[in-house]
Amino acid sequence: SAVISQKPSRDICQRGTSLTIQCQVDSQVTMMFWYRQQPGQSLTLIATANQGSEATYESGFVIDKFPISRPNLTFSTLTVSNMSPEDSSIYLCSVGQGHNQPQHFGDGTRLSIL
Amino acid sequence: AQTVTQSQPEMSVQEAETVTLSCTYDTSESDYYLFWYKQPPSRQMILVIRQEAYKQQNATENRFSVNFQKAAKSFSLKISDSQLGDAAMYFCAYRGPYSGGGADGLTFGKGTHLIIQP
Repeated sequence: SAVISQKPSRDICQRGTSLTIQCQVDSQVTMMFWYRQQPGQSLTLIATANQGSEATYESGFVIDKFPISRPNLTFSTLTVSNMSPEDSSIYLCSVGQGHNQPQHFGDGTRLSIL
Repeated sequence: AQTVTQSQPEMSVQEAETVTLSCTYDTSESDYYLFWYKQPPSRQMILVIRQEAYKQQNATENRFSVNFQKAAKSFSLKISDSQLGDAAMYFCAYRGPYSGGGADGLTFGKGTHLIIQP
């Protein structure tokens, strides 16, 4: 399966600031996704990052808060904007090679907001 | 919306024994995919096994197998000969048929924490 690198692996940020998380894949992939995992919780899909078009957001997530870019088939970014302590979570990137293929995940970014 | 339910927050098993983790889901679709992922303390999500709904045969991967009951919407994971390295959070996940429009993610259950007793 593809090798997925996420940066940064962790960060501590001040409230009101923004952070951009990068997801780099070592091969071209059709699909890229961003998930959030709040402390002690399961994973929740934030959005599907579509190459060449706007991301598709799930209910409860908006582009102004979580802008996403996907400039090519190997790279995507997720920005967490105007952060508050409630945004403290692990953010995970995942990739897939088609609907009938499983998704594989990066190691995640652990974000803490003070 | 689809929901995935894991009713066992925590399970414990003796090393070398067999354990079964439960998962039920709710969907009106007939074509979908089901997955079990493992998340050790390192937090990396690792695919354990997957099942296509149109396949009647239960998936098997070495010591891991599933019991897929489509009519009952049940998808349990059996781990045989449990090893210390199996200790982790296990998440059941659902993926529906492709609907276009760019959205194609997974719906996860809340997870089961598996403890392996030496």
